Amino acid sequence: GAGVSQSPRYKVAKRGQDVALRCDPISGHVSLFWYQQALGQGPEFLTYFQNEAQLDKSGLPSDRFFAERPEGSVSTLKIQRTQQEDSAVYLCASSPRQTTNEKLFFGSGTQLSVL
Amino acid sequence: SQQGEEDPQALSIQEGENATMNCSYKTSINNLQWYRQNSGRGLVHLILIRSNEREKHSGRLRVTLDTSKKSSSLLITASRAADTASYFCATDNGSSNTGKLIFGQGTTLQVKP
Repeated sequence: GAGVSQSPRYKVAKRGQDVALRCDPISGHVSLFWYQQALGQGPEFLTYFQNEAQLDKSGLPSDRFFAERPEGSVSTLKIQRTQQEDSAVYLCASSPRQTTNEKLFFGSGTQLSVL
Repeated sequence: SQQGEEDPQALSIQEGENATMNCSYKTSINNLQWYRQNSGRGLVHLILIRSNEREKHSGRLRVTLDTSKKSSSLLITASRAADTASYFCATDNGSSNTGKLIFGQGTTLQVKP
């Protein structure tokens, strides 16, 4: 595809439910990132992959959050036993480079609402 | 935690006017970037300025960087209604390989036609 694709676009979950959010990065992009954006705030870093290797997961807020990229392309962010404070937009971004401090290409995000 | 502080939080101007947004950060950096986010959409990269640069232009955008004050400004000249969006600065915390960009809280710009 032409850009970073995320699905679903919207997700409503009941508290305690598990959710899985999918990201299809731009083909060939080495680096993949997950960010969490609360309403009215800037994105906050969650985790980073270089190919299939998860090199930084320091931003994951708890052990209920888990991310994977098993074949170095598509990535899934899983949140177990969702809580109301997990409600946010989850943004995926990718970059063609291994040096990761330059231009990122973002998807439109998954808006998660936990009731 | 957010590294960047952006100012103002909200800005409303008339079409044709210039818009200036400011960003301050706390640590050393390799570069600073500005992104735009339309409502309900992802972020779009606008411009990157390296730590050894003081000013950069791209179309109607002008970015300045003052590393001694740890601050940057984004100027949009001759604004258009389509410029209505939120604008974020992002820094790399001085490392090129941590994978972590740190975003400010953003400035919401409204351009009235």
